[in-house]
Amino acid sequence: EVQLVESGGGLVQPGRSLRLSCTASGFTFADYAMGWFRQAPGKGLEWVSFIRSRAYGGTTEYAASVKGRFTISRDDSRGIAYLQMNSLKTEDTALYYCTRLRVYYYMDVWGKGTTVTVSS
Amino acid sequence: EIVLTQSPGTLSLSPGEGATLSCRASQTVSTTYLAWYQQKPGRAPRLLIYGPSTRATGVPDRFRGSGSGTDFTLTISRLEPEDFAVYYCQQYGSSPPITFGQGTRLEIK
Repeated sequence: EVQLVESGGGLVQPGRSLRLSCTASGFTFADYAMGWFRQAPGKGLEWVSFIRSRAYGGTTEYAASVKGRFTISRDDSRGIAYLQMNSLKTEDTALYYCTRLRVYYYMDVWGKGTTVTVSS
Repeated sequence: EIVLTQSPGTLSLSPGEGATLSCRASQTVSTTYLAWYQQKPGRAPRLLIYGPSTRATGVPDRFRGSGSGTDFTLTISRLEPEDFAVYYCQQYGSSPPITFGQGTRLEIK
């Protein structure tokens, strides 16, 4: 079964850091781009970041709201994608989803999400 | 930045009726890069349609995507109780690469 499982969320104070992990199973992780999306309580979906597969250069993209603070990475040998979140702000509070991206940048597999709460 | 505007914000219909959801882009979107998602309360989004008319695996044929340029439509014929949810359109372009519409809530009348 194709599956993504996020972990690493929690309550953190503003200005602190958190690292999210996304563990993949059921498919060849290295062949796919992986992304992070978030959804603030009661709000819509927001793209955060994605990382292309090695075949496409392994390049990364970030939303303007997180650029310079968040870093996405991947470990193809372990099938894990990461999102390192630094200098967290209260507006980063959301449910964070890990996704698998297909060639035309639509997301066909979503994890259940991990909650990040930034509050003092 | 390509802004996607979905309408209506909320659509109230009865099971058995048909639904038409609109997604309008501020600039031309390549049809290849337009997708629709369904999200139920407390659940992750689910890919419905991509490209913009190809149904994802397991999606019933009562869901149909269409459109080109700046106007795209998700049509649901013969609404089933499980279809009542929030629907998002999404595009891939440039700067920022991925954007979503604000969503259409499809509720039971």
